[in-house]
Amino acid sequence: SQKIEQNSEALNIQEGKTATLTCNYTNYSPAYLQWYRQDPGRGPVFLLLIRENEKEKRKERLKVTFDTTLKQSLFHITASQPADSATYLCALLNQAGTALIFGKGTTLSVSS
Amino acid sequence: GAGVSQSPSNKVTEKGKDVELRCDPISGHTALYWYRQSLGQGLEFLIYFQGNSAPDKSGLPSDRFSAERTGGSVSTLTIQRTQQEDSAVYLCASSLEPPQYEKLFFGSGTQLSVL
Repeated sequence: SQKIEQNSEALNIQEGKTATLTCNYTNYSPAYLQWYRQDPGRGPVFLLLIRENEKEKRKERLKVTFDTTLKQSLFHITASQPADSATYLCALLNQAGTALIFGKGTTLSVSS
Repeated sequence: GAGVSQSPSNKVTEKGKDVELRCDPISGHTALYWYRQSLGQGLEFLIYFQGNSAPDKSGLPSDRFSAERTGGSVSTLTIQRTQQEDSAVYLCASSLEPPQYEKLFFGSGTQLSVL
């Protein structure tokens, strides 16, 4: 069956360090992968989309990599700040092509 | 509106009652989705609308759950004979086109508590 795993439920780092979050998937052949941020009491907010033919994508302090051979995406936040504290979700399109399926998320806490 | 709007933001109901949850997507967005998020769980896909039709309702957990969309806009998720396990945050999302290569815009959700 299709599975998306974000293998750290929680990640605690110090301000200024780089946070690296992992998203692994099985039984998917995704054309792209998306990352979202969710704050408590709010819906997820789109951050980045990376296509299968893109190895890396950057947006300000965010960097995403996508390795279709390893079936893995890495999400990096450089120079992290307490305001980056949130839950980060990766998502892939389901086989039917009708909906995004989300991982359970990694909750990042950045301490000052 | 400026974003996806959901109402009510909170709903407390008694076991066995029916509830209706409403979603107003972003104007012009043809695709609409319902998800459920239980405490400590990930987002669980429920149903996808393209216009007023639902090409994928495979995520609805039982026949107590139904949804409709009218005028290609507002959607209502109805849960009949609510059970305690239905307690969760119900999130609605919309996108400009069908899901391929499209990002989703989410509402803030309806927190449903079944006593």
